[in-house]
Amino acid sequence: DADVTQTPRNRITKTGKRIMLECSQTKGHDRMYWYRQDPGLGLQLIYYSFDVKDINKGEISDGYSVSRQAQAKFSLSLESAIPNQTALYFCATSDTGGQPQHFGDGTRLSIL
Amino acid sequence: RKEVEQDPGPFNVPEGATVAFNCTYSNSASQSFFWYRQDCRKEPKLLMSVYSSGNEDGRFTAQLNRASQYISLLIRDSKLSDSATYLCVVTLLGLDTGRRALTFGSGTRLQVQP
Repeated sequence: DADVTQTPRNRITKTGKRIMLECSQTKGHDRMYWYRQDPGLGLQLIYYSFDVKDINKGEISDGYSVSRQAQAKFSLSLESAIPNQTALYFCATSDTGGQPQHFGDGTRLSIL
Repeated sequence: RKEVEQDPGPFNVPEGATVAFNCTYSNSASQSFFWYRQDCRKEPKLLMSVYSSGNEDGRFTAQLNRASQYISLLIRDSKLSDSATYLCVVTLLGLDTGRRALTFGSGTRLQVQP
C-alpha cells in the first residue's frame, strides 16, 4: 500500500461545483501539504498543516480551504470550482519542515 | 524574480553523456537544498539532498555554492531511465512563523536518447 494516498486520482467537473480532494498517510508524519502543479510553473504550495490544530496558508490559498481531520488525513476543498483551478494536485508529508517530503500519486482535476 | 530558477530545457543528450543542471535561488537565508526527480504525470521523488561540501550518489553529484546562490546536479554516464524532469528544491526559514517552507523550481527536463 502507498504511504501517501490521494483520492480521487482523476476528476472532471463543472464550474461552480464543490470538490473535495482527500489525502491519507500511513507514515506517521505530523506535517502535511497540498500543492498544485501547472505546466511550466512547478509546484505551488496551497496550504500546509504542522499538526491537527495548525493550518497555514501557502502561496496560492485563495479559492481553496483545507481540513485536518486527524494526523493521518488532510483534505483540500474547492468551494466553487473555476476553470483556472484545472491542474495536477499533490499531497505531501514530512516529519520536519526541512526534511524531504513524500508525495502522493497526485489528483488530476479538470474543471470545465 | 522567482525564488528558485531553473533552465526548463529540454536537455537532449545521448546515452553515456555527462549532463549538468544548475539552479539559482534568490534568498541568501535559504537553508536546505534538494534535488527531486519527477517522471511524466507522476509524483516528485527525492533524488538526493545537497550538502555544503558537495555529495555524490553513484552517477549523481550535487554541489552547493552559497556565495553565488546556486546548486548543481551532475549526471554521469546518462541512461535512458534518467529521462525525467529534475526539480530543484530550497527550504527557507519563515521569518513570520518560524517555520520552514519548501520552494520548488519549475524543473529541468532531461531526455536521454539511444
